[in-house]
Amino acid sequence: AQSVTQLGSHVSVSEGALVLLRCNYSSSVPPYLFWYVQYPNQGLQLLLKYTSAATLVKGINGFEAEFKKSETSFHLTKPSAHMSDAAEYFCALQTGANNLFFGTGTRLTVIP
Amino acid sequence: DTEVTQTPKHLVMGMTNKKSLKCEQHMGHRAMYWYKQKAKKPPELMFVYSYEKLSINESVPSRFSPECPNSSLLNLHLHALQPEDSALYLCASSSKIGRANTGELFFGEGSRLTVL
Repeated sequence: AQSVTQLGSHVSVSEGALVLLRCNYSSSVPPYLFWYVQYPNQGLQLLLKYTSAATLVKGINGFEAEFKKSETSFHLTKPSAHMSDAAEYFCALQTGANNLFFGTGTRLTVIP
Repeated sequence: DTEVTQTPKHLVMGMTNKKSLKCEQHMGHRAMYWYKQKAKKPPELMFVYSYEKLSINESVPSRFSPECPNSSLLNLHLHALQPEDSALYLCASSSKIGRANTGELFFGEGSRLTVL
């Protein structure tokens, strides 16, 4: 079975501090993995994706994620949090040709 | 600004009403999706259309009826809904389908539905 697990439904960081949002996956085939961000009352926007090329993936807004097969992880990081980063973040796994399975989400709060 | 446009942004309906949600994209994408998102939950796939044909139907109740008139438009017809159907309904599209699809979806801002 394929699944993603996001550790921590809420994460709070101070402005300027490191952001680390955790995602672990389970997949019987080489996975395609994604991070999406959702701002209040909006749809989802793709931050970055891993599709079996480079294991360190850089995305928009200064975010990056590293695919670690040995740890079955795809954690999202950003060196310095900004107030505008406050949002809900979803890790997702492609489970079929046209289907994404989303994790339960992590709400990021940035404290001034 | 999103390139996937959903209307209306908000809809309130009674359990006996018939209404429709509309989605439009002009990116030339050939796959379109409906997702349902309850409060504080992740989006859940409802339907996928590839080349205007329904390709995935995740066992959604028949009170939800999708329609894809052409490659740019996707509708979701609603009839005899229940209060528990209240949610944010998200439309999305992707440029690739099948094995070439690397899962990048473009989402609209959603239609927030309240069923009384």
